[in-house]
Amino acid sequence: QVHLVQSAAEVKNPGASVKVACKASGYTFTASHMHWIRQAPGQGLEWMGWINSESGGTTYAHNFQARVTMTRDTCSSTAHMELRGLTSDDTATYYCATKPAGEGYFDWGQGTLVTVSS
Amino acid sequence: SYELTQPPSVSVSPGQTASITCSGDALPKQYVYWYQQKPGQAPVVMIYKDTERPSGIPERFSGSSSGTTVTLTISGVQAEDEADYYCQSADSRGSYWVFGGGTKLTVL
Repeated sequence: QVHLVQSAAEVKNPGASVKVACKASGYTFTASHMHWIRQAPGQGLEWMGWINSESGGTTYAHNFQARVTMTRDTCSSTAHMELRGLTSDDTATYYCATKPAGEGYFDWGQGTLVTVSS
Repeated sequence: SYELTQPPSVSVSPGQTASITCSGDALPKQYVYWYQQKPGQAPVVMIYKDTERPSGIPERFSGSSSGTTVTLTISGVQAEDEADYYCQSADSRGSYWVFGGGTKLTVL
């Protein structure tokens, strides 16, 4: 059974960077892509991009292309999302999600709340 | 940029049928996934690949597709179904995900 466990909540100052981790288990990590999605308080879901867990290739949403880097560590089956130049608009819950090969739908992590405040 | 359009809100009485639509130009080419989200919780998939229902999801939830519009139908709505519902799909090449704006289902 797919299980995605994300890192703990973070509080960051404006201008700082944040790196969120997503540790996967229950499937072959390199057999799927990992997507990242965020949700600001009271707002809808916003897709940020994905990483090919096997090759490390990435596709980023246009809104985040200049500020985001997605990486993965195949040894620990962990994906990371780093967002730079944080502003208060980046205060949100960040989710990872994946659909292993042969599965029908995406499983999501529990979410990581990132608060940007001075 | 590509967008999916959902109604902001839908209201129904218990036991009635709720229909939530999602429209987008690429929907004939790309599958749609429907998520239910309750306050403080992560989204949960209710329908995948337009019409499939994961195990454990009540049979009252169903999905259908017609051209550029897909529909999530909840038959015999219950109070516990009150939540936000999001559709999710991809652009015509399958490179980028996109979410609808979300529909708040209110059970009167």
